[in-house]
Amino acid sequence: GAGVSQSPSNKVTEKGKDVELRCDPISGHTALYWYRQSLGQGLEFLIYFQGNSAPDKSGLPSDRFSAERTGGSVSTLTIQRTQQEDSAVYLCASREGSGGTYNEQFFGPGTRLTVL
Amino acid sequence: QQQVKQSPQSLIVQKGGISIINCAYENTAFDYFPWYQQFPGKGPALLIAIRPDVSEKKEGRFTISFNKSAKQFSLHIMDSQPGDSATYFCAASTQGGKLIFGQGTELSVKP
Repeated sequence: GAGVSQSPSNKVTEKGKDVELRCDPISGHTALYWYRQSLGQGLEFLIYFQGNSAPDKSGLPSDRFSAERTGGSVSTLTIQRTQQEDSAVYLCASREGSGGTYNEQFFGPGTRLTVL
Repeated sequence: QQQVKQSPQSLIVQKGGISIINCAYENTAFDYFPWYQQFPGKGPALLIAIRPDVSEKKEGRFTISFNKSAKQFSLHIMDSQPGDSATYFCAASTQGGKLIFGQGTELSVKP
């Protein structure tokens, strides 16, 4: 079946602009995660959605970052007033099952964001 | 407390050799320890994972060794092949939640 998909695959924007990154998880997966991968910081957790529970936003680096998940499926990560330090690969992952289970997180290919 | 420390940062191994990557953690609440493999331009893919109730798990050429008292775990790749050349990340989490990743190890297997 289809894996996790993300769009766009690449995004180049100017400093100060807003960007939206999209994630389509594997159908039926109730958990969805956003991570950021950059040279200096490695792979960092950003936000986690589990079913209808309140999301875990503890990894969001500033209030310029927000995410939503509509209808328990597609998720959008929004970065407002982008800064050069936001340049990174943004990865989405999804997982089957409820909290308390240990099923695999499946990652998408990522969106490479470049802020000029 | 939430960090996972991984070493070495890079590793060069001859074909047929053993690749060993080590990780250490502080948070004793972690109860799931996966290893991910990432090729350039791709997202990470799960390689093998372990829970702390066992000390070793083997899948083909890949083995995780887990030392709960030392709060350390390692990945061993036996008979390393050029196709194993990739970046490897250890990680830890609690109850299926967010993954805390190590810094990554870039493995190069020379033919």
